[in-house]
Amino acid sequence: GQSLEQPSEVTAVEGAIVQINCTYQTSGFYGLSWYQQHDGGAPTFLSYNALDGLEETGRFSSFLSRSDSYGYLLLQELQMKDSASYFCAVKGGQNFVFGPGTRLSVLP
Amino acid sequence: NAGVTQTPKFRILKIGQSMTLQCTQDMNHNYMYWYRQDPGMGLKLIYYSVGAGITDKGEVPNGYNVSRSTTEDFPLRLELAAPSQTSVYFCASSSGTGGIRTQYFGPGTRLLVL
Repeated sequence: GQSLEQPSEVTAVEGAIVQINCTYQTSGFYGLSWYQQHDGGAPTFLSYNALDGLEETGRFSSFLSRSDSYGYLLLQELQMKDSASYFCAVKGGQNFVFGPGTRLSVLP
Repeated sequence: NAGVTQTPKFRILKIGQSMTLQCTQDMNHNYMYWYRQDPGMGLKLIYYSVGAGITDKGEVPNGYNVSRSTTEDFPLRLELAAPSQTSVYFCASSSGTGGIRTQYFGPGTRLLVL
């Protein structure tokens, strides 16, 4: 089966940098994705890693280490609008599995 | 492009009733998915489809049925609704790479079973 672990909550101040970790167990790993979800909204895609290393997209970066079954999402120059839940997700076979989510609170 | 649309936005059902949640996408995506999300939790895959006429079970399929007669539509059927099916239901679609990268989500349907 597949399982993912993330911290349940992270708090940071505006302008800071925060890292959200994700460890996974899956068979047939194809890649690690990150999604953002604001309260009451739908998940939206942020980033994806298929190979080891860092992917950068504006203020957001994502890292993957396949040998460690580990990845993280890095958010820089935090803004109040970044307060949301962040989910990592993996594809194992044809099944998609989402992590339990990390709730990020950005304080002024 | 409307993307992925879902109807209804909110519904209250009595135990034992049935209903169909509608999902339509206009991006010509082959892959479509149904997830449920319980409060404070991640998403769990109910069913998915890799193309018209092809569907398969996800992690939590019991109590649900799907069909995919066209590329655009992927309705989810709840038979004999139970309180455990109270949740937010999201439909998603992705392109022909198998959805490894990006899934586009609809706005969700909030279902309350009493």
